[in-house]
Amino acid sequence: NAGVTQTPKFQVLKTGQSMTLQCAQDMNHEYMSWYRQDPGMGLRLIHYSVGAGITDQGEVPNGYNVSRSTTEDFPLRLLSAAPSQTSVYFCASSYSLGGRAATNEKLFFGSGTQLSVL
Amino acid sequence: GDSVTQMEGPVTLSEEAFLTINCTYTATGYPSLFWYVQYPGEGLQLLLKATKADDKGSNKGFEATYRKETTSFHLEKGSVQVSDSAVYFCALDNTGGFKTIFGAGTRLFVKA
Repeated sequence: NAGVTQTPKFQVLKTGQSMTLQCAQDMNHEYMSWYRQDPGMGLRLIHYSVGAGITDQGEVPNGYNVSRSTTEDFPLRLLSAAPSQTSVYFCASSYSLGGRAATNEKLFFGSGTQLSVL
Repeated sequence: GDSVTQMEGPVTLSEEAFLTINCTYTATGYPSLFWYVQYPGEGLQLLLKATKADDKGSNKGFEATYRKETTSFHLEKGSVQVSDSAVYFCALDNTGGFKTIFGAGTRLFVKA
């Protein structure tokens, strides 16, 4: 199994440009999410999804859009990139579908996308 | 809201030294607690977890005990190796797996 695959690994954008970060998983996980990693702030949740057609906001959703048309894919869209969106982005998935038992489930992470917005 | 606080790094140790990375949390109820590790150029991977008070998680020589009375989940290893050099994240989940909260991360350097 490939696990969680993110593309591209590196990207440089100019302010105002748009782009889509791709994420795919082959573990049949219902739950998928996007985090951004910034120095001194750890990982912060952007958006998450608990299944095809269902998405919700995390801690820092502004400036990002998501959709979930299939179980496997969960793309993250930047509609108009800003320098504040320079970060490392991680996609994660898990078996979790909520409930007390689901708090024990671990997250599987992709290898990340390093994005610079000039 | 819920939060995780972990000691600032970087932490620099010599090989075979004892490691402690402090982690404390704020949460209502009974969250699950995790330590994730990030090796250079990679995504995070689960190192260990504990799901209720007094549980001890362990893996690869690392240990952490869920202390509800002190709201702590400190990571320890008796003898570190150069290959343990990485960033370590303390995390909690109190939402059925939907919104895992991470600490800021602690970078560990181990010298030969």
